[in-house]
Amino acid sequence: DAGVIQSPRHEVTEMGQEVTLRCKPISGHNSLFWYRQTMMRGLELLIYFNNNVPIDDSGMPEDRFSAKMPNASFSTLKIQPSEPRDSAVYFCASGLGDSQPQHFGDGTRLSIL
Amino acid sequence: QKEVEQNSGPLSVPEGAIASLNCTYSDRGSQSFFWYRQYSGKSPELIMSIYSNGDKEDGRFTAQLNKASQYVSLLIRDSQPSDSATYLCAVKKGNAGNMLTFGGGTRLMVKP
Repeated sequence: DAGVIQSPRHEVTEMGQEVTLRCKPISGHNSLFWYRQTMMRGLELLIYFNNNVPIDDSGMPEDRFSAKMPNASFSTLKIQPSEPRDSAVYFCASGLGDSQPQHFGDGTRLSIL
Repeated sequence: QKEVEQNSGPLSVPEGAIASLNCTYSDRGSQSFFWYRQYSGKSPELIMSIYSNGDKEDGRFTAQLNKASQYVSLLIRDSQPSDSATYLCAVKKGNAGNMLTFGGGTRLMVKP
């Protein structure tokens, strides 16, 4: 079975540019999560979708961040404009139903210069 | 108090020894508990899940849950250098939908 697929794996861009991260969850999973991981702050939940609907976006740091899930097999996380402090590894994870674990993609390593 | 707490380590054990990783959580309504392993530069990988009090064994791994003490642990028997990684404890709180709250992780080093 294919796992969670994220693209790109690495992204290096200059501050002020728009960044779009993409995620394809595991087929049949109804929950999707975007996380950010840094050495200082660890793994932070940014936003959580259930059945394509955003349920909790309290972790989204500010208005520069937005996330969409137009259908069950695709989600995007967009940063506009990007800043150096956004540099981190961004993970997408998906899960199936209550009490079930989440499965992570390989992540996108984002560097904003 | 953090919602899910782990000792950051590093925890250093010799090869062949038992590694004991601990995690405490604050929400008494928490229902599901997970251990993830994360190698440096890689994504978290699920290794154990536990839902009821007691022990759950899977190969060299044993997860232990004590809801009264709000404590979950992971034992790794016959530790191998390949077990060297950061271990993340994750808890699904009682009213959190499908969200997990992660601890900061414990870095384990198994020395040959």
